[in-house]
Formats: sequence, C-alpha cells, structure tokens
Amino acid sequence: NAGVTQTPKFQVLKTGQSMTLQCAQDMNHEYMSWYRQDPGMGLRLIHYSVGAGITDQGEVPNGYNVSRSTTEDFPLRLLSAAPSQTSVYFCASSSDQPGQGNQPQHFGDGTRLSIL
Amino acid sequence: GQQVMQIPQYQHVQEGEDFTTYCNSSTTLSNIQWYKQRPGGHPVFLIQLVKSGEVKKQKRLTFQFGEAKKNSSLHITATQTTDVGTYFCAGNSGGTYKYIFGTGTRLKVLA
Repeated sequence: NAGVTQTPKFQVLKTGQSMTLQCAQDMNHEYMSWYRQDPGMGLRLIHYSVGAGITDQGEVPNGYNVSRSTTEDFPLRLLSAAPSQTSVYFCASSSDQPGQGNQPQHFGDGTRLSIL
Repeated sequence: GQQVMQIPQYQHVQEGEDFTTYCNSSTTLSNIQWYKQRPGGHPVFLIQLVKSGEVKKQKRLTFQFGEAKKNSSLHITATQTTDVGTYFCAGNSGGTYKYIFGTGTRLKVLA
C-alpha cells in the first residue's frame, strides 16, 4: 500500500501564482485533512473533509481552497500565493470517527513550498 | 477557539535520562493523540487516549490523560538516541473532526 501520497515534494512559486497540491490515499479513508507546519510550530489545520463532497474550514483556511470529489483525492489550492504561505504542507487521512477507538491519522511525506 | 499548549519547547537530555512533555488544552477534550516526527520526516501516530485518567504504556513510553481531560503527558524512561525527534499532542474536542496540535517538544538525546 502506498498510504498517503503527496505531490509535488518541493515547489517554488512567485507571489501571485496559483497552484494545486495533490493528496491521494489508497486506504479508503473517509477523513482527510490538510495541515501546514512552520518552523518551530506545530501543525495547523487548514481544511478537512469527512467524506466525498463534504469539506470544512480548519484554523487557518484563508487563501486556500479544497474540494473532495472522490474518496481518494483531496487537493489543496493556493489561489494567489503569498510569502506568508511558505511552509511545509502535510496531508493526512483517517478512517471512521476519531474519538471512537484508535483511529490514527496517516500523514503523507509533505510538500515543501517556498513563495518568493 | 481551542488552544493546545505544550511544554517544554526543547529538551536536551543525556542518553539514559528520563524525559517528559506536557500538553494542556484550553477546553475539555474528547480524546488526545500523540505523534512523533523525526527531523525532515512526517508525524507518525503513537497513541490515542480517550478515557479520563487513562494511562497507556508502550515499552519505555508512558502516556497519561488527565482526570479533567484537559491535559496529558508523555514520559520516556531511559532515553535512547532513537528517541530523538519532536513529540506532538493533538486534541479533539468532539463533535467535529478538528484536531488541534500542540507546538511540540523537540527532544535531543546526547550520547
């Protein structure tokens, strides 16, 4: 099993450009999330999804869009990149409802994004 | 909104010494998860605690969930160089799928 696959692994953008970070999982997980991690900080939740067609905002959603057309894929779109969005982005997936048993979040390897 | 604080931010220990990191939430949690992230890697799930006062052990690691379900701790006995990394707690207040991560404790083990 590939688990959670994120592409690209690295990306450099210019201010104002748009791009999509891809995330795919092959575990048939209902729940998927996007986090950003800045140096010396924990992971901050951007958006999450509880199933195909259902998304919701996390702690820091501004400047990002998501959609969930299939169970497997959960892309993250940067609408107009800003230097403040320079970060490492992690996608995670989980099965069932957290809090009702040991349902860990499985993380991808991350996308390291630099905005110039 | 919900906040999760984690202390200390950094900890350097000699190999063989014990290590503890503490996690405190501003709100009562439904459950809490702990993750380990090696330098340059991604977070890896360690454990989830759900019940008030729960204590779980994984070899040299002991996890506790407070009686009020607002705090938690991770204790490592006799650290080894393989324990190096950043340890994060992540709290869920229930009702949603939102997990709020603590800022993490970066552990360095000196051989």
